Amino acid sequence: AQKVTQAQTEISVVEKEDVTLDCVYETRDTTYYLFWYKQPPSGELVFLIRRNSFDEQNEISGRYSWNFQKSTSSFNFTITASQVVDSAVYFCALIDQTGANNLFFGTGTRLTVIP
Amino acid sequence: EPEVTQTPSHQVTQMGQEVILRCVPISNHLYFYWYRQILGQKVEFLVSFYNNEISEKSEIFDDQFSVERPDGSNFTLKIRSTKLEDSAMYFCASSDGQAFRPQHFGDGTRLSIL
Repeated sequence: AQKVTQAQTEISVVEKEDVTLDCVYETRDTTYYLFWYKQPPSGELVFLIRRNSFDEQNEISGRYSWNFQKSTSSFNFTITASQVVDSAVYFCALIDQTGANNLFFGTGTRLTVIP
Repeated sequence: EPEVTQTPSHQVTQMGQEVILRCVPISNHLYFYWYRQILGQKVEFLVSFYNNEISEKSEIFDDQFSVERPDGSNFTLKIRSTKLEDSAMYFCASSDGQAFRPQHFGDGTRLSIL
């Protein structure tokens, strides 16, 4: 069965600090995809990134970067030089072959960036 | 940029009443989904829909729930006899035809059962 663990329930940082959000996953499948979604206070879910199980290259997009390590089953998300607009709940999610095409979400990490 | 739209944004209903939540997926997408998020909790999968039939459903999606694509653009979730525990944010999502593709979510409908 799939499992996505986001052990950090809430994180607070001061603006301009870097912050890393942890995600650990479990799956029996060899083919799977990992996702990060952002849920700002307005409530919508915003897709940030998708990474497949065969591509362990780290990815950087502006102030966002993702570190995928199959050896530790982790897919961590770092925000560099955080801004107040980054305040949101961030969800890590998994799609594997067992779950067909359904997203299996972690419990989310609430990030608060203090000005 | 194309987006998934959901109506209404907030629905208040008496317990035992039927409710229909509406979604317009992105026009060239083929897979449609409903998810639920109880306040303060994680997002949970309810059902997926492809080629005019249910592809997969979770344990949450019991006989009280049904989905329909009544025309070429709308995708609806019906809860036949609402319960207090159905109070949640309901998200519709859609993706294009390939497996593992990103799912794009609507802004959600907040359902409040009184």
